[in-house]
Amino acid sequence: EPEVTQTPSHQVTQMGQEVILRCVPISNHLYFYWYRQILGQKVEFLVSFYNNEISEKSEIFDDQFSVERPDGSNFTLKIRSTKLEDSAMYFCASSLGHSGSPLHFGNGTRLTVT
Amino acid sequence: GENVEQHPSTLSVQEGDSAVIKCTYSDSASNYFPWYKQELGKRPQLIIDIRSNVGEKKDQRIAVTLNKTAKHFSLHITETQPEDSAVYFCAAFPLDDKIIFGKGTRLHILP
Repeated sequence: EPEVTQTPSHQVTQMGQEVILRCVPISNHLYFYWYRQILGQKVEFLVSFYNNEISEKSEIFDDQFSVERPDGSNFTLKIRSTKLEDSAMYFCASSLGHSGSPLHFGNGTRLTVT
Repeated sequence: GENVEQHPSTLSVQEGDSAVIKCTYSDSASNYFPWYKQELGKRPQLIIDIRSNVGEKKDQRIAVTLNKTAKHFSLHITETQPEDSAVYFCAAFPLDDKIIFGKGTRLHILP
């Protein structure tokens, strides 16, 4: 069964540094998402992406964050000038369609900001 | 926007007994309600989902019910087993792009 893949599995960075989290969605999926999960808390929506542009973003997704689909397979989340509170598990997800399509999650990238 | 409330936050049941987790949502336009199971340190995985045109769906030991009028839906796990221990998240999908998750229920299956 095809899977969403994320790299790296764990990223440690110093406060103020930039990080790029990478994802390869399932190949025939059209919608891509980033979610965040702070340890022990719920999964929070960050952003959705369709047709090479952001279709929806949450209040968490401020100017510090950006997403890109640099080629036909990768989907990246960039966090500029990381803060301690950005430490979390970041999940990429993709879905075939829009409303009512199941999300398929990657294994996540654990980001630790020190 | 959509708001999803999930209860209880922690649930302990004896192995073999049933577990019920309840969620309410606020946006009457939401039409898709998935449930995800997340084992420790792993990704959320879809275990069952229901769409707004049906009231109940069952898959072996797992069932989900939906009451659109009351805007609540529930997950039922029967004959619980140790491998059912995990965190379960309900979610609601309004007409825009973002699935909104509940805060999760940590289910402990006691031997």
